[in-house]
Amino acid sequence: EIVLTQSPATVSLSPGERVTLSCRASQSIGPYLAWYQHKPGQAPRLLIYDASNRAAGIPARFSGSGSGTDFTLTISSLEPEDFAVYYCQQRSDWPRLTFGGGTRVDIK
Amino acid sequence: QLQLQESGPGLVKPSETLSLSCTVSGDSLSSSRYSWGWIRQPPGKGLEWIGTIFYGGSIYYNPSLKSRATISVDTSKNQFALNLNSVTAADTAVYYCARQSEYSYAYFDPWGQGTLATVSS
Repeated sequence: EIVLTQSPATVSLSPGERVTLSCRASQSIGPYLAWYQHKPGQAPRLLIYDASNRAAGIPARFSGSGSGTDFTLTISSLEPEDFAVYYCQQRSDWPRLTFGGGTRVDIK
Repeated sequence: QLQLQESGPGLVKPSETLSLSCTVSGDSLSSSRYSWGWIRQPPGKGLEWIGTIFYGGSIYYNPSLKSRATISVDTSKNQFALNLNSVTAADTAVYYCARQSEYSYAYFDPWGQGTLATVSS
């Protein structure tokens, strides 16, 4: 099973700040990584697929990068609605899909 | 607009079977070319993929569930279902249903809002 380790577990920031979240895979997964945003009581939302491609309707302030074992999600300038938990997910090892443990982005 | 809504009993006894349904609106399961999946999140933990059913009928499960999970489709109700047998407290979680994304069958979008299933006597 491919383990995805996300860091940090929690980050506290103010609106307008830039944040970079990390997702590290236990083995190479190529570009086959997605990022989701999850707010309490809501459905998770796909942000980024295959490491660096924004899903339809996702604002340009969200960007993804990486390949192999190290990936990042960057939010260039935090909006109030961006405070949420972010998860990464790999599809390289189908049908053993796995998710990371999540990073919570809190308001400072 | 596609919407998914999970439903099921909130409380299940240990060793019994957890049965959940996902009602789909905005697409017809009988003609959809998409795949449909279940994902869960135990309290305080991360997300865990349970399984995916494809439009052709193929089904794939997370091996960690050790054959306890069964996913099926009821086209007459436009629902797909998850049965998880021999449940224990470790199966307590929020269960989400989701459609595959436009980009890959292995990513999910959209998702339902989730339903909490608690395993307790």
